[in-house]
Amino acid sequence: NAGVTQTPKFQVLKTGQSMTLQCAQDMNHEYMSWYRQDPGMGLRLIHYSVGAGITDQGEVPNGYNVSRSTTEDFPLRLLSAAPSQTSVYFCASSAGTGVGNTDTQYFGPGTRLTVL
Amino acid sequence: AQTVTQSQPEMSVQEAETVTLSCTYDTSENNYYLFWYKQPPSRQMILVIRQEAYKQQNATENRFSVNFQKAAKSFSLKISDSQLGDTAMYFCAFLYNTDKLIFGTGTRLQVFP
Repeated sequence: NAGVTQTPKFQVLKTGQSMTLQCAQDMNHEYMSWYRQDPGMGLRLIHYSVGAGITDQGEVPNGYNVSRSTTEDFPLRLLSAAPSQTSVYFCASSAGTGVGNTDTQYFGPGTRLTVL
Repeated sequence: AQTVTQSQPEMSVQEAETVTLSCTYDTSENNYYLFWYKQPPSRQMILVIRQEAYKQQNATENRFSVNFQKAAKSFSLKISDSQLGDTAMYFCAFLYNTDKLIFGTGTRLQVFP
């Protein structure tokens, strides 16, 4: 098992550019999520999905879109990048789903994004 | 709203010694889970230990153990026989039935030889 994989590892964008951060897992996990990590603020939830075709907003969803067409993939799209989106982005997955999901989440290696 | 507080931004310990990292949380929920994650310089988030709130027994994983005080809403991590490889950021996290993991701001631990 590769676990949770993320690409790219590093990315530099100019303000206004768009891009997609890729996330894939090979553990057949139903639950997937995206976090951003900023200095002094821990990790904050952007969007999450409890299964293919289902997505929901987290704590800081503005400026980001997601979709979940397959169980394996959960891409995060930045439609018009802003300097405030400079951060480290983590994708995570877990086996459980729905209310009462308390399964351990497995994290990817992260993507460091800089927006100039 | 649930909150997680880690009041120690940085800590240091000598190799082979014991160190305790603090975490407090605020919630009105009765059933929930608590986690400690380690983030080494590679940035990957690695699960260290997990505690179910309904369990009175403190969780242990090899050199890592927790002191879970439910009434006080405290969840500290004890690392025994510290090793150089334990140098990392440590995050406390809280999860209940909303599928949303809530993180503290982290404690940077430096292990010195």
